[in-house]
Amino acid sequence: NAGVTQTPKFQVLKTGQSMTLQCAQDMNHEYMSWYRQDPGMGLRLIHYSVGAGITDQGEVPNGYNVSRSTTEDFPLRLLSAAPSQTSVYFCASSWSQGLRNTIYFGEGSWLTVV
Amino acid sequence: GESVGLHLPTLSVQEGDNSIINCAYSNSASDYFIWYKQESGKGPQFIIDIRSNMDKRQGQRVTVLLNKTVKHLSLQIAATQPGDSAVYFCAENTGTASKLTFGTGTRLQVTL
Repeated sequence: NAGVTQTPKFQVLKTGQSMTLQCAQDMNHEYMSWYRQDPGMGLRLIHYSVGAGITDQGEVPNGYNVSRSTTEDFPLRLLSAAPSQTSVYFCASSWSQGLRNTIYFGEGSWLTVV
Repeated sequence: GESVGLHLPTLSVQEGDNSIINCAYSNSASDYFIWYKQESGKGPQFIIDIRSNMDKRQGQRVTVLLNKTVKHLSLQIAATQPGDSAVYFCAENTGTASKLTFGTGTRLQVTL
């Protein structure tokens, strides 16, 4: 994957704990987003950002917060973890313009909430 | 826990045969479509894309066909190889980059 870095790779949380999944890209992409992937399903959009200082909700935003203070970073915060948030999380980034917007994904973060 | 994609539809093909993976999309306003390959434990990897003003696009060993009338997308893989074994997702985009709607995926198994 070209330049999208996610940390941590694996995390176990207790119900009610909070944590932040980090995402950074070094391609100067304007657009960044977070998806979650549950067993037997495709990826579902949590939050996205069209540029620094701008964020918006996706399909499944409840329980998550994001911020975009820089072009490079787009952290995803779980405020009070719940077992339903056990999933694999993917960060993605892309250019905003052009006929083709190739969207690059990170390697994923496996989160288990017990 | 379950691994990702445990209950996905599965397409099994022999090495060297051609594979065809189908996808139905829902939004008639979608103007950009992408096929991704996802190997176990990894993020989706871009394969090929197509805009709504095209019917067909070819890459290296892969072809994407778009039928807007019936909102259907297909991915054809020529001379399928063991390394093609993965889960394949189609995704549609309505203009805002990084805002994709994914299908549920198809697992491709390549037998020797």
